[in-house]
Amino acid sequence: KAGVTQTPRYLIKTRGQQVTLSCSPISGHRSVSWYQQTPGQGLQFLFEYFSETQRNKGNFPGRFSGRQFSNSRSEMNVSTLELGDSALYLCASSLDLNTEAFFGQGTRLTVV
Amino acid sequence: QQQVKQSPQSLIVQKGGISIINCAYENTAFDYFPWYQQFPGKGPALLIAIRPDVSEKKEGRFTISFNKSAKQFSLHIMDSQPGDSATYFCAARSSGSARQLTFGSGTQLTVLP
Repeated sequence: KAGVTQTPRYLIKTRGQQVTLSCSPISGHRSVSWYQQTPGQGLQFLFEYFSETQRNKGNFPGRFSGRQFSNSRSEMNVSTLELGDSALYLCASSLDLNTEAFFGQGTRLTVV
Repeated sequence: QQQVKQSPQSLIVQKGGISIINCAYENTAFDYFPWYQQFPGKGPALLIAIRPDVSEKKEGRFTISFNKSAKQFSLHIMDSQPGDSATYFCAARSSGSARQLTFGSGTQLTVLP
């Protein structure tokens, strides 16, 4: 079974631009969560989607948004990028709510 | 109350030794406690997890010990190997509305050959 696939693996963007990251969950998994990982703040929860609905949201500004499609694939978008948005963005998929979460390799975003 | 405190920040162990990483939490609503292993350039990989109805869970060389009354849990890596050198994260999650994983700050483990 293929794992969680995140694309692209690396991105370099300029301040003020926007970016879209993609996540394909493990086949059959219906829940997708996104996390931001930085050296200073560690792993922080962004949002969780299940059945195309956002079920939970972390403490991030409205510039961070996401969505989930009917095939469970998910995208997250960051608008008006700031230097502090540079991070590893991780997607995790779960079979269902309250089940084990499996992470992808992440997308390394660098904002210059 | 959502915080999970992890220690130590870094750990150096000789090959064959026991690595012990500790975590403590405050939120009594947490009911699922996984440990993740992360290698450089990779995403966190689920290692082992426990629920509070048991005090210990063992999978191969990895054991979680859980103390519900003290609100603490720990990861023991027996017969540590150089290939175990990685960053380890504890996490906690509740089954209520706030279902996200709350992570500890991580422990960088180095196993010397």
